[in-house]
Amino acid sequence: GESVGLHLPTLSVQEGDNSIINCAYSNSASDYFIWYKQESGKGPQFIIDIRSNMDKRQGQRVTVLLNKTVKHLSLQIAATQPGDSAVYFCAEMNSGGYQKVTFGIGTKLQVIP
Amino acid sequence: ETGVTQSPTHLIKTRGQQVTLRCSSQSGHNTVSWYQQALGQGPQFIFQYYREEENGRGNFPPRFSGLQFPNYSSELNVNALELDDSALYLCASSLKGGKPSNYGYTFGSGTRLTVV
Repeated sequence: GESVGLHLPTLSVQEGDNSIINCAYSNSASDYFIWYKQESGKGPQFIIDIRSNMDKRQGQRVTVLLNKTVKHLSLQIAATQPGDSAVYFCAEMNSGGYQKVTFGIGTKLQVIP
Repeated sequence: ETGVTQSPTHLIKTRGQQVTLRCSSQSGHNTVSWYQQALGQGPQFIFQYYREEENGRGNFPPRFSGLQFPNYSSELNVNALELDDSALYLCASSLKGGKPSNYGYTFGSGTRLTVV
C-alpha cells in the first residue's frame, strides 16, 4: 500500500531495543500533548497523551516525556516489536473552545527483525 | 461500541468536479472533525461540526463545506476540485469537551481522494 511516511524522518531500531521519538512543539497554551501511530492505509491511532501540567506519563510499553521549558515532547517505546513499525505523530489539543488536533511532523519508525 | 466509519475508501475524480465524503461517528460521540492529509504530511484540520453547525474552521477555502446530521454523522463536500485536493481525508468523532484518549477523539481510516 501507499506510504504515509514518504519523505519523513526515519528512525531504524533493532527489534527488542528501546525507541525514542522526539518532537518539538510550538504552542505553549495547549492543554494536551498526544502521540499517534499511523499505519499505511489507516487513520491515526491514539497511543498516549499527557496534560500540560505533567512531565511524565507511562502506559503499556510506552512513556511520554514533556519538557515545557524547551517545548520538547518525546515518546519512548520499550522492547520495540515489528508491529511498532509505523509513522508516529506528535500532536497538541486544547480542551476549550472547539477541539482541534494540531499535528507535528511525523517520524517513520522501522523495526529491524 | 462501533468505531468511526468512512465511505468510500477510495475515489477518483476529475478536476472541476464535486465530491461528497461520508462519516459515521463513534457511538456516544456528538462532534465531528474533518482533516486533510497530503502524502508524507501530518493531517491538517479542515473544520468541526457540533449540533449540526460548523463551530471551528482551519485554513481551507469556502469550496470545502460540510454537514452534520441529527444522528451525528457528517459529510464533507468539496466543490471545483483541484489537483492539490488529492489527499487522504480523515474524519474524527469526539464528545464535546472530551479528552484525547482512545475513546475521546477517534479517527476513521479515511477516504483516499485522487483528482486527475
